[in-house]
Amino acid sequence: QVQLVESGGGLVKPGGSLRLSCAASGFTFSDYYMTWIRQAPGKGLEWVSYISGRGLYTNYADSVKGRFTISRDNAKTSLYLQMNSLRAEDTAVYYCARVRGNYWFDPWGQGTLVTVSS
Amino acid sequence: QSALTQPASVSGSPGQSITISCTGTSSDVGHYNYVSWYQLHPGKAPKLMIYDVSNRPSGVSNRFSGSKSGNTASLSISGLQAEDEADYYCTAYTTSSTVIFGGGTKLTVL
Repeated sequence: QVQLVESGGGLVKPGGSLRLSCAASGFTFSDYYMTWIRQAPGKGLEWVSYISGRGLYTNYADSVKGRFTISRDNAKTSLYLQMNSLRAEDTAVYYCARVRGNYWFDPWGQGTLVTVSS
Repeated sequence: QSALTQPASVSGSPGQSITISCTGTSSDVGHYNYVSWYQLHPGKAPKLMIYDVSNRPSGVSNRFSGSKSGNTASLSISGLQAEDEADYYCTAYTTSSTVIFGGGTKLTVL
């Protein structure tokens, strides 16, 4: 079945970097846009970024533009999020999800926790 | 861009019906029929409940329905069950080619 598994979360100091991964299986990965979404502790969901099937088109939320980079490796059926210049407000559970149709997300992974703290 | 506006909480008794609103602008909810709804249970992956305003994925109960009027979308749940208690989020695609979420609504089944 379709499965998404995130990894790479952890504790990082402000100003530091972290790379998240999302391993996909059960579907033709390159046929789909993919996205990252996050949820800060006690807060709501926030869309972070998406990438087209071939990786040629990306878009970002203003809150991460210039600091985060989304990428994918279709041969490895994996999605990535390179996070630089991390701030305390980037602390969140980060989910990857498959983009379907008109920008609806299904399924989602279980998420990976990123904590930015000194 | 500010989040879509949802009530912080709604509640209902088992068997009753409730509606959660999601208000945006003419640049998001009002512009496209690209509104979807998600259910979040603690510790579980978010689940798609409604897409394209009113379409229900296979496996989602027909007690869940969606609609839209102008800049406001709505999620309705009929015949409330204890398992429906969760957080619900709406989302919409925008004219800036970004995606925006609502602030979330906590549904309590009394």
